[in-house]
Amino acid sequence: DTGVSQNPRHKITKRGQNVTFRCDPISEHNRLYWYRQTLGQGPEFLTYFQNEAQLEKSRLLSDRFSAERPKGSFSTLEIQRTEQGDSAMYLCASSSPLDLYREAFFGQGTRLTVV
Amino acid sequence: AQKVTQAQTEISVVEKEDVTLDCVYETRDTTYYLFWYKQPPSGELVFLIRRNSFDEQNEISGRYSWNFQKSTSSFNFTITASQVVDSAVYFCALSEPQEDSSYKLIFGSGTRLLVRP
Repeated sequence: DTGVSQNPRHKITKRGQNVTFRCDPISEHNRLYWYRQTLGQGPEFLTYFQNEAQLEKSRLLSDRFSAERPKGSFSTLEIQRTEQGDSAMYLCASSSPLDLYREAFFGQGTRLTVV
Repeated sequence: AQKVTQAQTEISVVEKEDVTLDCVYETRDTTYYLFWYKQPPSGELVFLIRRNSFDEQNEISGRYSWNFQKSTSSFNFTITASQVVDSAVYFCALSEPQEDSSYKLIFGSGTRLLVRP
């Protein structure tokens, strides 16, 4: 499978716990994005990497959120001290400047439920 | 500020009917891109089309067609002869091109389409 892969697909956690999600982009894509989608809404941009550099972070990304892409390949998104409001689908996408249409390809997402 | 409005929350049609999903956008830039994505129950966003702001030609791809009108800031999506497999949530999105060719998409709230047999 050469698409964007996200793990886990589902995560249920108790309030106050830390969680970490992983995203494996399409192998030749150097750009990686994280989005958050709450129920009934469209995805909202969280952050963006070009290779290992985190170039932009949304105001939605509070201090409890941290994202890394240590070797410019896979990325992790960690949420510390989870709150019920963090319950959402977390989507990862990747893109390449070499792609003719340069659109972002999305993974299937990680659905987080904080109880 | 950029904004995308999809006023139709949910649409229900009977198979083989035509259906149009509306999308209205706001942006101050003259150069931008518009997208449509499909989100089936499995969750991933499936790319359908990208259109840049300088190309107002309508596009047809099989049963899908798109009508881009800059004068009304609209980018509507029509499915002809709908099928049950078209049932999904459809998102319209806007992006302003960045110097580094990155994409930060601004999505609408989506339209849930239900096609009944």
